[in-house]
Amino acid sequence: SAVISQKPSRDICQRGTSLTIQCQVDSQVTMMFWYRQQPGQSLTLIATANQGSEATYESGFVIDKFPISRPNLTFSTLTVSNMSPEDSSIYLCSVLSLNYGYTFGSGTRLTVV
Amino acid sequence: QQQVKQSPQSLIVQKGGISIINCAYENTAFDYFPWYQQFPGKGPALLIAIRPDVSEKKEGRFTISFNKSAKQFSLHIMDSQPGDSATYFCAARANRDDKIIFGKGTRLHILP
Repeated sequence: SAVISQKPSRDICQRGTSLTIQCQVDSQVTMMFWYRQQPGQSLTLIATANQGSEATYESGFVIDKFPISRPNLTFSTLTVSNMSPEDSSIYLCSVLSLNYGYTFGSGTRLTVV
Repeated sequence: QQQVKQSPQSLIVQKGGISIINCAYENTAFDYFPWYQQFPGKGPALLIAIRPDVSEKKEGRFTISFNKSAKQFSLHIMDSQPGDSATYFCAARANRDDKIIFGKGTRLHILP
């Protein structure tokens, strides 16, 4: 499968601050996605990261809160802005490649205090 | 609105037994149905997937059964082992937008 490097793996942040999560893939992929997973829960799609254009957000998620960049075919960032304890979750990067289908990173475990 | 309904929420099976997890969907545009396995602290990993033009797919101890008319599909794990203890997610994708929609997950525990 495509190899995804997601950083940081975990972080503890103060409320009101922002955290940027990076997703690097070892090969060019057609699509990149960002998911959120509450502990013990399912995965909820935040947005599809589009190369060179604005991300496509799912209902309930907005660009001001979760700005996303994708400057090239192998890299994307998700920023969680103005964090509150409700943002404590696991954030996962996922990619779709022609050869390997959908692959997920190991996630970033975020705790907001 | 839950587009992929998964049951049961949790499952306990004896070692060597058969684990069965069921999923149902409504959207007839779905054309790809993967199952993911997730261990604590890890991202989901693709286990097996099926397309609606076949009724069954088997890979080792893992089998997907697919019933297109009933809009249901299930995962069977034969000879279940303690190492299979994990959370399993069914999912689906509609051909028009390439995003994966997940079920709520099943926490499987295999008793040694």
